[in-house]
Amino acid sequence: DARVTQTPRHKVTEMGQEVTMRCQPILGHNTVFWYRQTMMQGLELLAYFRNRAPLDDSGMPKDRFSAEMPDATLATLKIQPSEPRDSAVYFCASGLVGDIAGEAFFGQGTRLTVV
Amino acid sequence: GQQVMQIPQYQHVQEGEDFTTYCNSSTTLSNIQWYKQRPGGHPVFLIQLVKSGEVKKQKRLTFQFGEAKKNSSLHITATQTTDVGTYFCAGPGRKGKTSYDKVIFGPGTSLSVIP
Repeated sequence: DARVTQTPRHKVTEMGQEVTMRCQPILGHNTVFWYRQTMMQGLELLAYFRNRAPLDDSGMPKDRFSAEMPDATLATLKIQPSEPRDSAVYFCASGLVGDIAGEAFFGQGTRLTVV
Repeated sequence: GQQVMQIPQYQHVQEGEDFTTYCNSSTTLSNIQWYKQRPGGHPVFLIQLVKSGEVKKQKRLTFQFGEAKKNSSLHITATQTTDVGTYFCAGPGRKGKTSYDKVIFGPGTSLSVIP
């Protein structure tokens, strides 16, 4: 049963520390999305990749966030330095996108708490 | 940028009552998707609508795409406690005149079902 895998599931860190979240998309999917979910802002799109190339990261705070896809089986989202306002659930999703966006398959998410 | 709005934000219904959530966009959408997120879970794809005026049914769920492709609705007949969760509509992101195929989520409607 193909699924998107995210690690870690939970992360508690101190302010100022670097945080790296990892995502293994479903094999064969050409698009990977990173979303952040908070009560106040809902599901925000941070960045997305098509065939490993970054297409749009306008939703991401550039000074501290970075997203990469070093290979087809791994996407990473880094925060350096982390701040308490970064506390949220971060979801990775993958999909097979053609002329229009198709179904996005979400991972279980990484719940990040920055103290 | 592209925005989709949803109403209501919250809905509490007695089990067995019907429920409807509405999604609106200020611009024409090439397609619209619906997702459900259970408490503590991740968004799960329900359906995608592409054609103007399209109506699709999944058991007790009825999805509709407006004629102008600017609005959509999800109707649940005779709600059950298993319907509890947040229902999101999602549309393609748009920048200027270029339509991207990223997936932008509305704020969601949180449904509570009272047994």
